[in-house]
Amino acid sequence: KQEVTQIPAALSVPEGENLVLNCSFTDSAIYNLQWFRQDPGKGLTSLLLIQSSQREQTSGRLNASLDKSSGRSTLYIAASQPGDSATYLCAVDTDKLIFGTGTRLQVFP
Amino acid sequence: DAGVTQSPTHLIKTRGQQVTLRCSPISGHKSVSWYQQVLGQGPQFIFQYYEKEERGRGNFPDRFSARQFPNYSSELNVNALLLGDSALYLCASSPPPGDSPYEQYFGPGTRLTVT
Repeated sequence: KQEVTQIPAALSVPEGENLVLNCSFTDSAIYNLQWFRQDPGKGLTSLLLIQSSQREQTSGRLNASLDKSSGRSTLYIAASQPGDSATYLCAVDTDKLIFGTGTRLQVFP
Repeated sequence: DAGVTQSPTHLIKTRGQQVTLRCSPISGHKSVSWYQQVLGQGPQFIFQYYEKEERGRGNFPDRFSARQFPNYSSELNVNALLLGDSALYLCASSPPPGDSPYEQYFGPGTRLTVT
C-alpha cells in the first residue's frame, strides 16, 4: 500500500531563508509526483509536476527533485517570503493522487 | 479560461440528511476526481470519472456516490450524513490522456459541516 510522508510537519523561518521540504513514498511505481500549495480553508494550487522519468523541475524560486528509486522528493524554496506562508502538500500519482499530510510553513518578516 | 468551479462554497447539514456537491471541470477536460480533506490531513481519494464512466473508487462507504454528465460536470452525493463527513470536498479535473502529463487541477472546494 502506497504511503506518503512529509517532514517536517511544521516550519517557521525568518524571511530570506532557503528552505527544503521533504516528501517520501513507499512504492516507486508512480506515474508522477505533484507539489501543491494550500492556503487556509482553500483549494489546492499546483506548483510543480515531475514525471516519473524526470529528476527535477523548476519554477521561479521553486525547485523540486525526484529520486524514484529511493522514494524521495524535495521541494526547495529559495529566498523565502512571507507570502510563501501556506501548507505544502506532495502527492504521488498511481492512477489516483495519494497525498502526504503536508508541511505547514510560516515565513515571518 | 475559467478554472475548476465548485458549488456551493459552504454547506451546513444535519446528521442523517443527504447532500449533493457540484463540480465543473476546466473546458476540454474529460476526467473529474473527488477528494475528501478532513482538517489537518491530506486529501483522500473518493472517485474518478472519465468520459462519464467510473474509473476508480477509494475506500469510502456506499453512502458516497457520484456521476458525470455529458458536459463532463460531476456531482458527488452523500447519504445519511455522519458527523465524520464534515470536511472540505475537493474536485479536480485533468486533460485527456496524451495531451499533457496527467496533471490534476483543483477547484476551491466545498466546506461541508455536519451538525
